[in-house]
Amino acid sequence: QVQLQESGPGLVKPSGTLSLTCVVSGDSISGNNWWSWVRQPPGKGLEWIGEIYHSGSTIYKPSLKSRITISIDEFKNQFSLQLSSATAADTAVYYCARGHGTYRRYYFDYWGQGTLVTVSS
Amino acid sequence: DIQMTQSPPTLSASVGDRVTITCRASQSVSRWLAWYQQKPGKAPKLLIYEASSLQSGVPSRFSGSGSGTEFTLTISSLQPDDFATYYCQQYNSYFYSFGQGTKVEIK
Repeated sequence: QVQLQESGPGLVKPSGTLSLTCVVSGDSISGNNWWSWVRQPPGKGLEWIGEIYHSGSTIYKPSLKSRITISIDEFKNQFSLQLSSATAADTAVYYCARGHGTYRRYYFDYWGQGTLVTVSS
Repeated sequence: DIQMTQSPPTLSASVGDRVTITCRASQSVSRWLAWYQQKPGKAPKLLIYEASSLQSGVPSRFSGSGSGTEFTLTISSLQPDDFATYYCQQYNSYFYSFGQGTKVEIK
């Protein structure tokens, strides 16, 4: 059974960097899937923010491109998110998810349980 | 970017009702559309992919249809476990986008 587990600080100061890690079990992160981050502000809908392939290739949402970095560690079977210059607008539950499908067309079949990150002083 | 619009935003229904949720795309996404169910405090759960393919383990009362710009999710007979928020997602082209959600409430 594929499982994803997010971890990281739940509180980030404004202008700081939000950093999260997603550990994958039950599947190799080096396989033929892409690995995504999706966030959900409190009481609002879902927003895809970026994804990575085990080769290191990344695709980011344009509105976040200047602030976001997604990286991968094949040895630890995990991938990470960094979002710099955080503001209150980045307060959200952050989910990691497995992208599955065909080339450049992925839906999300496995999700982590989500972790709430609050940006506040 | 492709905008996804769901209707209605909220739906009140009773156990046993047939429920239909609509999702419209601002441009064609072919059949590259997925549906998710989300309960409070939980991660989304994949129900349908490629517009009409049922994810393994999902009850057959859930079905999807459509192509191009208009899609529907149907629950043939609403069960107590189905009261939740439902989201559509297009994955035809970057950057993936979700509808704003449809909350199915108890009538």
